[in-house]
Amino acid sequence: EPEVTQTPSHQVTQMGQEVILRCVPISNHLYFYWYRQILGQKVEFLVSFYNNEISEKSEIFDDQFSVERPDGSNFTLKIRSTKLEDSAMYFCASTRPGGYVGQYFGPGTRLTVT
Amino acid sequence: GDSVTQMEGPVTLSEEAFLTINCTYTATGYPSLFWYVQYPGEGLQLLLKATKADDKGSNKGFEATYRKETTSFHLEKGSVQVSDSAVYFCALSDLLEGGSEKLVFGKGTKLTVNP
Repeated sequence: EPEVTQTPSHQVTQMGQEVILRCVPISNHLYFYWYRQILGQKVEFLVSFYNNEISEKSEIFDDQFSVERPDGSNFTLKIRSTKLEDSAMYFCASTRPGGYVGQYFGPGTRLTVT
Repeated sequence: GDSVTQMEGPVTLSEEAFLTINCTYTATGYPSLFWYVQYPGEGLQLLLKATKADDKGSNKGFEATYRKETTSFHLEKGSVQVSDSAVYFCALSDLLEGGSEKLVFGKGTKLTVNP
């Protein structure tokens, strides 16, 4: 069964450094998402991406964040200058067209900012 | 804004016990409702869904009914197994412009089933 994959599984970085989290969505899906979960808190929506542009973003997704689909398979989340409070589990998800079909999630990348 | 409230965990049950995890929601629109499950070390997996009032979602022995009058979507299973031990998330979604959907999650409820 096709699945969403994410790399790396764990990333440790120093405050102020740039990080890029990578995701490979399911191949026939057209909508892509990033969510994050700070330890002990809710899973929070960050951004949705369709047709090579952002379709919706949350207030968390400020100028430090960006997303890109550099080729036909990868979907990336970049954090330009990491802060301690960016430490979280980051989940990528994708879905096919059709509305309300539910999203398929990757296993997540645990980002630790020191 | 939209929100989801789940019963606090953790929940610990013996094998073959009955499970209920309560979930209520607040939404301005007419959302679809989902239950996701996260097994240790894995990502979120869609367990079941319901897209309109009185719909019942079901999968792997789990069920949940979309109750618009009580704004609830409680998860139930008649007889849990050790392999059901996981974290369960209730979520709602609204369709965004262009057809994408934004999920709003509850905090998650950790279930442990003992043999």
